[in-house]
Amino acid sequence: GIQVEQSPPDLILQEGANSTLRCNFSDSVNNLQWFHQNPWGQLINLFYIPSGTKQNGRLSATTVATERYSLLYISSSQTTDSGVYFCAVDGYSGYALNFGKGTSLLVTP
Amino acid sequence: EAGVAQSPRYKIIEKRQSVAFWCNPISGHATLYWYQQILGQGPKLLIQFQNNGVVDDSQLPKDRFSAERLKGVDSTLKIQPAKLEDSAVYLCASNPPGGFTFYEQYFGPGTRLTVT
Repeated sequence: GIQVEQSPPDLILQEGANSTLRCNFSDSVNNLQWFHQNPWGQLINLFYIPSGTKQNGRLSATTVATERYSLLYISSSQTTDSGVYFCAVDGYSGYALNFGKGTSLLVTP
Repeated sequence: EAGVAQSPRYKIIEKRQSVAFWCNPISGHATLYWYQQILGQGPKLLIQFQNNGVVDDSQLPKDRFSAERLKGVDSTLKIQPAKLEDSAVYLCASNPPGGFTFYEQYFGPGTRLTVT
């Protein structure tokens, strides 16, 4: 199946700082999603972005499908941005998601 | 629009007991997935349904896990008998039947299972 690698594995930021999370994948995809898993375990959809660029408030994402990577940008980080960020691609024949190991983000006051 | 519903939210059982989880996908979503997320890892697919048929159950430990989606709407995942290593969050997801975002999946809040 399609392999997904996320970096960095851990990130600590001060409130107000910017960050870039990276997701590399090993083959062409129909689906690439970014999720934020909050401390209660809920997976929150951030972006559905198999290609191109999208923005939603302080968050934006870019996927370069031809080079098989995606970037998630967080600007002016807030403590509520803390949690684990997952990148997932359709890694199965039925388009089920194959998740990376996640980036654990801690934003300190 | 209501999201994916799951129950219970938490469950604690002893090893060798049985347990069942319920999922109701977003209305109209034909495809339903069950994922298992062990602490510190990303979710991993257990089984995928299209309407009431199984698309992929290659990752499901069939000696102890079973799942059904009899009427093509809600679904039940069962573990019998449970082992300590089944302690995890069980996530249900669904995606819409067509359109530009056909592949985009939406997740429920999950059921956190602790096996003691």
